[in-house]
Amino acid sequence: QSALTQPPSASGSPGQSVTISCSGTSSDVGAYNYVSWYQQYPGKAPKLMIYEVSKRPSGVPDRFSGSKSGNTASLTVSGLQAEDEADYYCLSYTGSDNLVFGGGTKLTVL
Amino acid sequence: QVQLVQSGAEVKKPGASVKVSCKASGYTFTNNAVHWVRQAPGQRLEWMGWINGGNGYTKYSQKFQDRVTFTRDTSASTAYMELSSLKSEDTAVYYCARARYDSSGYPTYAMDVWGQGTTVTISS
Repeated sequence: QSALTQPPSASGSPGQSVTISCSGTSSDVGAYNYVSWYQQYPGKAPKLMIYEVSKRPSGVPDRFSGSKSGNTASLTVSGLQAEDEADYYCLSYTGSDNLVFGGGTKLTVL
Repeated sequence: QVQLVQSGAEVKKPGASVKVSCKASGYTFTNNAVHWVRQAPGQRLEWMGWINGGNGYTKYSQKFQDRVTFTRDTSASTAYMELSSLKSEDTAVYYCARARYDSSGYPTYAMDVWGQGTTVTISS
């Protein structure tokens, strides 16, 4: 199973919105509403930000939102803050109890 | 609070095996699965597979299925990951993570609580 495709980098100024894409196929992202997103700071464990495409765990700011269209899922960060600068990974179910991560996107707050 | 605490860093020689533990607390271990994820230096997250804390069912990523074994000790609320025939490319941080279920008990295929990571270094 190949990794899902994410842009290596994304950036935005404080207060702006930025969207990170996660492209898969009709066998993973397109087939199931089981896409989740993780935020990871350098040297730290990942943190769940979005699950089941668009649901937010308690404690995650509503500035973070998720969506999906066809074989591509997206994470949008609105009202960018300096603390949002981190790596972001998508994860998708691929059937038969298998999962696959994306390649990761480094988000820079300018 | 809910947490997963992993065992300490390991240094192994090529060809050896390593076993990493992941002790759960703050929730009922047998009600959730545990995923294993690794991250080589400067690289992406890589899913290795998961084990059901209740019935011990395991699912391994095709990439690792010949070399990895997941086990659990329910009395100790601990999951284990053993990787054999180690190569230099296995140098990475290994994470365990709890599987998230919805309010009806169905899997969401997301990971909501993560261990702190265990650094495994393969060096001759």
